[in-house]
Amino acid sequence: DQQVKQNSPSLSVQEGRISILNCDYTNSMFDYFLWYKKYPAEGPTFLISISSIKDKNEDGRFTVFLNKSAKHLSLHIVPSQPGDSAVYFCAALGGGSNYKLTFGKGTLLTVNP
Amino acid sequence: SQTIHQWPATLVQPVGSPLSLECTVEGTSNPNLYWYRQAAGRGLQLLFYSVGIGQISSEVPQNLSASRPQDRQFILSSKKLLLSDSGFYLCAWSVWDAQAFFGQGTRLTVV
Repeated sequence: DQQVKQNSPSLSVQEGRISILNCDYTNSMFDYFLWYKKYPAEGPTFLISISSIKDKNEDGRFTVFLNKSAKHLSLHIVPSQPGDSAVYFCAALGGGSNYKLTFGKGTLLTVNP
Repeated sequence: SQTIHQWPATLVQPVGSPLSLECTVEGTSNPNLYWYRQAAGRGLQLLFYSVGIGQISSEVPQNLSASRPQDRQFILSSKKLLLSDSGFYLCAWSVWDAQAFFGQGTRLTVV
């Protein structure tokens, strides 16, 4: 039973355009949602997070939107840069345990020059 | 500042051999520690987590085990590796807030 789903395994975007990465979840008890970025053969690095009591959080080129009624969140990258090419993981915290992050399967973003 | 060390970076082991991956954290006390695995084409799967010395919780049944002999040391082990144990293993730590910090990972290939 996958509680955090990233239904798009890959996404290709032109440099300068907007990248939108989507994530759906099933557990309404999650308290925080996080996005991680991962390059090959490296550990994930934290990108941005959002509390379940908010609907938007912005940090530079990265904005995360949360729609609780739809159990959906998205990461917007504007403008996209070739260095943004990586696998992006959506993760959720809470849902009955404050110790464990539940990850989606990831979306490979490719930003073409 | 806090840092996390994980080694080795790559490992090739024959089927049936033992495994020991080590992870240490610096710059923080009493962290929550985690072992994740990323298998080919799959997401990050939580294997074990620990909220204190000697306290290990297992998420999935498998032939792997974990130990936490010291506050900032987390070890992933196996007595006999299987081919299906191949993957990318990640150690991570967190404190009370939401964010987890990951090590660089270990690429394990079982042959």
